[in-house]
Amino acid sequence: DAGVTQSPTHLIKTRGQQVTLRCSPKSGHDTVSWYQQALGQGPQFIFQYYEEEERQRGNFPDRFSGHQFPNYSSELNVNALLLGDSALYLCASSLGADIQYFGAGTRLSVL
Amino acid sequence: EDQVTQSPEALRLQEGESSSLNCSYTVSGLRGLFWYRQDPGKGPEFLFTLYSAGEEKEKERLKATITKKESFLHITAPKPEDSATYLCARNSGNTPLVFGKGTRLSVIA
Repeated sequence: DAGVTQSPTHLIKTRGQQVTLRCSPKSGHDTVSWYQQALGQGPQFIFQYYEEEERQRGNFPDRFSGHQFPNYSSELNVNALLLGDSALYLCASSLGADIQYFGAGTRLSVL
Repeated sequence: EDQVTQSPEALRLQEGESSSLNCSYTVSGLRGLFWYRQDPGKGPEFLFTLYSAGEEKEKERLKATITKKESFLHITAPKPEDSATYLCARNSGNTPLVFGKGTRLSVIA
């Protein structure tokens, strides 16, 4: 059984560009949450998707948006990239509000 | 504001030297306290969930305990492969996971 998979593994972008990150949840899970983790910090909650709707959102600007597809996979989009958006982006899946299991993350570098 | 504070920020142990990591939290209506292990450049790996004061969970050399305001991760006779960052997180009601900054553990052979 595959766990949570994220793509791509690494990404390099320049300021002002747009990026899309992808996540496939663990089999049987219906809820996907996205986190941003800066170096030396704990993960910070961006938003959570359930039944293709954004259920909760953290303190992130509207430049951060997402989507969940009928097969429960999800995308995170970031527009107008800033240097400060450089971080490890983590996707976690769960069955409802149960334990969240994380993927290996996407390392985004903004130059 | 709900917070999760972990201490120490970093801990260096000799192989076999037991110790404890601390996670203190301020939240009403705690729904769960979570411990994760994170290796460099990887995603957090789930270790334990604790739900109420007095509960204990064990896995190999790790034991997690919880009171009304703190949780501890006890590491008994650690080995170099236990070196990682240990993250604590809580949720309450319908709120998302709130993480601490983690404790970086280094175990020296």
